[in-house]
Amino acid sequence: DTGVSQNPRHKITKRGQNVTFRCDPISEHNRLYWYRQTLGQGPEFLTYFQNEAQLEKSRLLSDRFSAERPKGSFSTLEIQRTEQGDSAMYLCASSLVWAARRTGELFFGEGSRLTVL
Amino acid sequence: GESVGLHLPTLSVQEGDNSIINCAYSNSASDYFIWYKQESGKGPQFIIDIRSNMDKRQGQRVTVLLNKTVKHLSLQIAATQPGDSAVYFCAETLYNQGGKLIFGQGTELSVKP
Repeated sequence: DTGVSQNPRHKITKRGQNVTFRCDPISEHNRLYWYRQTLGQGPEFLTYFQNEAQLEKSRLLSDRFSAERPKGSFSTLEIQRTEQGDSAMYLCASSLVWAARRTGELFFGEGSRLTVL
Repeated sequence: GESVGLHLPTLSVQEGDNSIINCAYSNSASDYFIWYKQESGKGPQFIIDIRSNMDKRQGQRVTVLLNKTVKHLSLQIAATQPGDSAVYFCAETLYNQGGKLIFGQGTELSVKP
């Protein structure tokens, strides 16, 4: 399977615990995005990387959230001191450099669902 | 479009009929629009896109129409099939902003065999 891979698919944790999600993008893609999706809503942009550089972060990404892409390949999204409001699906997507493509096709993974008790 | 809560608009169609899904976008400066399909338990899947210098674009069984005057997008699916059942989202962005997409509220399409 050469698509975007996310792990774990589902994480249940207690309030106050830290969680980390991993995303492996499509290998030749140099852009990687994190989105969050709650039930019945469209995905909301969190942050994105071009290679290893984090180029933008949404206001939704509080200080408890940190994302890294250390070698420009896989990425991790860590949430510290989880709160019940963090319960959501965390989606990762990847793409080639935007301007070089005629389409804006982001390839999404299947997501990591977080449940905070 | 803005999200309005947990209750998704739904569209129910008979297999073989054409479907039209509508979307109102929020930013008049947006110049690039994409439709995504999301099946249960999966990530969104790209369907078709359109830039603001066009008002219509066709793909395989799908057509996107853009009306910039009223900030409205529509997705037309011809000869709808059971496999088309999913939630459909429109997304808007500025083309030079890369993949920072603003998603609208989804519409759930249900196809009856």
